[in-house]
Amino acid sequence: EVQLVQSGAEVKKPGDSLRISCKGSGYRFTKYWIAWVRHQPGKGLEWLGIIFPGDSDTRYNPSFQGQVTLSVDKSSSTAYLHWSSLKASDSGFYYCAKTMGAAATEWYFDLWGRGTLVAVSS
Amino acid sequence: EIVLTQSPATLSLSPGERATLSCRASQSVSKFLAWYQQRPGQAPRLLIYDATKRATGIPARFSGSGLGTDFTLTISSLEPEDFAVYYCQQRTNWPPPVTFGGGTKVDIK
Repeated sequence: EVQLVQSGAEVKKPGDSLRISCKGSGYRFTKYWIAWVRHQPGKGLEWLGIIFPGDSDTRYNPSFQGQVTLSVDKSSSTAYLHWSSLKASDSGFYYCAKTMGAAATEWYFDLWGRGTLVAVSS
Repeated sequence: EIVLTQSPATLSLSPGERATLSCRASQSVSKFLAWYQQRPGQAPRLLIYDATKRATGIPARFSGSGLGTDFTLTISSLEPEDFAVYYCQQRTNWPPPVTFGGGTKVDIK
């Protein structure tokens, strides 16, 4: 089965570090980009950035550059989203999503993980 | 940044009615626009890409139109499972290369 399996919900304090994961299976992981998208209650979807597992080429939304780090482990077909110092405003659902193809013109997302809830509170 | 503005924010309709959702881009995105459906508690699902192409497994009652800055998602006859939030998304070379609209909620009248 083609799927993206995300890690479980996290409860953290401001200033904590955190890494959440997204494991792909059922398709050639290194052939498609993986994007991360945030959804906060009452708000729309926000694109954080995207990484190509084949060579770790990474692009960030300027609004999130320096706030998060994307990485990937090809050997385990897993993508990661990392924060070095969380803020309360980072709370929300984080989805990973696979692109339709390798070309930038194909940056539409045809497979999504179920999301990871991140709650940051003192 | 290319801003996508969706209207209306909420659309109240009955099952069987036709839904027309709008997405307007602050500058041309050519044909590079997609539509997603998000049901409560679920991840988004790709419905339409390249403005007019239905994604795999999407029913024919969903159709997309438009080019440049003005786009429309039409649901020809609403089924109970279609009451959800719909987002448009563009992909261009502008930084950031991907943005989403604010969403349109289709709820039951």
